[in-house]
Amino acid sequence: AQSVTQLGSHVSVSEGALVLLRCNYSSSVPPYLFWYVQYPNQGLQLLLKYTTGATLVKGINGFEAEFKKSETSFHLTKPSAHMSDAAEYFCAVTKSGGSYIPTFGRGTSLIVHP
Amino acid sequence: DAGVIQSPRHEVTEMGQEVTLRCKPISGHDYLFWYRQTMMRGLELLIYFNNNVPIDDSGMPEDRFSAKMPNASFSTLKIQPSEPRDSAVYFCASSRPNYEQYFGPGTRLTVT
Repeated sequence: AQSVTQLGSHVSVSEGALVLLRCNYSSSVPPYLFWYVQYPNQGLQLLLKYTTGATLVKGINGFEAEFKKSETSFHLTKPSAHMSDAAEYFCAVTKSGGSYIPTFGRGTSLIVHP
Repeated sequence: DAGVIQSPRHEVTEMGQEVTLRCKPISGHDYLFWYRQTMMRGLELLIYFNNNVPIDDSGMPEDRFSAKMPNASFSTLKIQPSEPRDSAVYFCASSRPNYEQYFGPGTRLTVT
């Protein structure tokens, strides 16, 4: 079975500070990994994804994540937070073969202070 | 592409009434998912379809919930009878195999 753990239900940063949202996964086969963002009163939208190849993945709005197999992690980072980054962030994992159904983490709420 | 379309966006109903939520997936997507999101339980997968066929409905809370996908461009989630604890935001999402999911804007259901 696959699972996702997002450390910290809330992360608070100042505008301009580094953003780090943590995601650890478990999967019995090579995973596909995703980060989604949910703005208030909206559905989830894809921020970035890792399937194969380069382990450092760049997404929209300046976010990036690095797949570290040895640490089973896929942490999301952004060098400088902006007020507009305030949202809920979800990490998800699915298997690279077989049943496709993704497993989502509980989400991390990013709070950005001026 | 218009993305995943859900209707209605908001639904307020009284306990005991039937509620029907609707979803139009993105054309060409083989998978359709129904999720429920609440503060207490987070994002829960209720049921998913592959090529219009229900594959796993183990997340459906109880027999009051049912979902159908009569064709590739339409799905419904029905709650009958509705209860206050069903109040949540319900999302529909679609995807191609092993690709990311595309979520609709959600239906906010309030049962009084």
